[in-house]
Amino acid sequence: NAGVTQTPKFQVLKTGQSMTLQCAQDMNHEYMSWYRQDPGMGLRLIHYSVGAGITDQGEVPNGYNVSRSTTEDFPLRLLSAAPSQTSVYFCASSPTYSSGNTIYFGEGSWLTVV
Amino acid sequence: QQQVKQSPQSLIVQKGGISIINCAYENTAFDYFPWYQQFPGKGPALLIAIRPDVSEKKEGRFTISFNKSAKQFSLHIMDSQPGDSATYFCAASGAGSYQLTFGKGTKLSVIP
Repeated sequence: NAGVTQTPKFQVLKTGQSMTLQCAQDMNHEYMSWYRQDPGMGLRLIHYSVGAGITDQGEVPNGYNVSRSTTEDFPLRLLSAAPSQTSVYFCASSPTYSSGNTIYFGEGSWLTVV
Repeated sequence: QQQVKQSPQSLIVQKGGISIINCAYENTAFDYFPWYQQFPGKGPALLIAIRPDVSEKKEGRFTISFNKSAKQFSLHIMDSQPGDSATYFCAASGAGSYQLTFGKGTKLSVIP
């Protein structure tokens, strides 16, 4: 079972560069989201999607862009990378957008911006 | 404004001991309280969850205790093992929003 697959696992960017973190799930889940994890800060929601063609902002959306053209894929784009975006990024999915649903996380993408 | 406060930040427990991690929430409309476990280099995974209509839920060595009036819930790990060493996150959702709000995490180290 692939579950939630993120690529790349590790990436180093220079300030100002752009890149896309890929996320794919094979569970036919409606809900997908992106979190960032920083030391002592827990998991903070960046963007989320409740279905193909629908996206919305989370707690920390600035500097990031998302799209959901298919149920399976939910890429996260960094428009102009900044050192403050150095973090571990997790993609997650859930069967439906409702309280009580288990959220399944990918294994993370470690991003360093220099 | 942090809606879920988790303590302690780190915890060291001897093998066989009881690990206790506490969380407090502010929004009384939250109606789902999961705990996630994260091993180094991995994504978080659901460990156990509770709804506010029960005061306790047990799954193996893991127990959630829930105090609705105090707006607190805690994770107890009985007979802690070195394999339990991980970061634990509490979370809450509800209140018209299905987004999970996470605590800041507790790094548990179980020493032999």
